[in-house]
Amino acid sequence: AQKVTQAQTEISVVEKEDVTLDCVYETRDTTYYLFWYKQPPSGELVFLIRRNSFDEQNEISGRYSWNFQKSTSSFNFTITASQVVDSAVYFCALSEMGLNQGGKLIFGQGTELSVKP
Amino acid sequence: DAGVTQSPTHLIKTRGQQVTLRCSPISGHKSVSWYQQVLGQGPQFIFQYYEKEERGRGNFPDRFSARQFPNYSSELNVNALLLGDSALYLCASSRAGPEYFGPGTRLTVT
Repeated sequence: AQKVTQAQTEISVVEKEDVTLDCVYETRDTTYYLFWYKQPPSGELVFLIRRNSFDEQNEISGRYSWNFQKSTSSFNFTITASQVVDSAVYFCALSEMGLNQGGKLIFGQGTELSVKP
Repeated sequence: DAGVTQSPTHLIKTRGQQVTLRCSPISGHKSVSWYQQVLGQGPQFIFQYYEKEERGRGNFPDRFSARQFPNYSSELNVNALLLGDSALYLCASSRAGPEYFGPGTRLTVT
């Protein structure tokens, strides 16, 4: 069975600190996708990144970076120089590959990040 | 392009009633999925439709049903509402890529 675990329920940091959100996944599939979504207080899930299981290269987008390690089944998310606007709940998710129609995301429980000025 | 839209925004129903939620996908997206998010938890997959056919169903009772129309919009129906059905219902669309979510419908069952 597929499962995503985000062990950190809540994290609180002061603005400009770096913060890493952990994500560990379980799947029997050899091919799969991993995702991160941001859910601000408004409630709408905002897509941040999708990685496929073939590509373990780390990715950087501005202040955001992602570390994918198949050996430890982890897909961690780091925010550098955090800002108050980064305050939100962040979800890690997993889906089968080959579903070129999308869908069937398995989400973790989420990590609530609070960035204080 | 407009994003995924959902209606209504909020809804209050009584136990035993039936409810219909609506979703319009991003233009060009043929896949629509529905998720239920209970307060404090991650979204749970309910249904996926692609080209008007059901392509996946999560672990939800038969009280939950959905359909997709020729214009790719979708409806989620829930019959015989229970208090536990109170949640944020999220619709997502995709086109051979990641899912993009709508703002959700907040359903409260009293």
